[in-house]
Amino acid sequence: QKEVEQNSGPLSVPEGAIASLNCTYSDRGSQSFFWYRQYSGKSPELIMFIYSNGDKEDGRFTAQLNKASQYVSLLIRDSQPSDSATYLCAVNRYSSASKIIFGSGTRLSIRP
Amino acid sequence: EAGVAQSPRYKIIEKRQSVAFWCNPISGHATLYWYQQILGQGPKLLIQFQNNGVVDDSQLPKDRFSAERLKGVDSTLKIQPAKLEDSAVYLCASSSQGQVNTEAFFGQGTRLTVV
Repeated sequence: QKEVEQNSGPLSVPEGAIASLNCTYSDRGSQSFFWYRQYSGKSPELIMFIYSNGDKEDGRFTAQLNKASQYVSLLIRDSQPSDSATYLCAVNRYSSASKIIFGSGTRLSIRP
Repeated sequence: EAGVAQSPRYKIIEKRQSVAFWCNPISGHATLYWYQQILGQGPKLLIQFQNNGVVDDSQLPKDRFSAERLKGVDSTLKIQPAKLEDSAVYLCASSSQGQVNTEAFFGQGTRLTVV
């Protein structure tokens, strides 16, 4: 079982709709969770992090965490063509130091 | 604030040759990561340093890969000898120390092609 699992996609969403990206993790000791966006040929860049159960909103993005179900999601409202990218879920298995493990990523395509 | 610097950006080598990558993290960042990202996959953690000590190298192929972080700042990752399956982007990232929600900041990566 992979530590961090994501559906590879591609996920195709019409412009203006809500895109929903999901991630599950195996280590219950994971303490914080990140969503990175990666454009083709570029490095990952952080969109959001979350470490408490529930929702966290930042502009058009909402991260949701359910530690009991070991599930993290990212919602993108009013999807734009510029949101087309690969979205990487990452978990921090923090003990004495951060250890950030990534999923394989979900490719998102926003169609005009 | 300057970001994570990596060099070179691109490298093409023949199999069985050796190659080295360099990374300079964000100033003051104690944690440095080397990730390998094969096309179509997520970044795979190869080695993690906390200051100049190794925290985790469980996924580093130690028969061919080596890494060091002298003086707790810059780091080099070496492959010797390279194999075709080492073709990937090698990403260096850094983070500050001691906080559970600390993000990793990435450099631009080094794209390695082994032919």
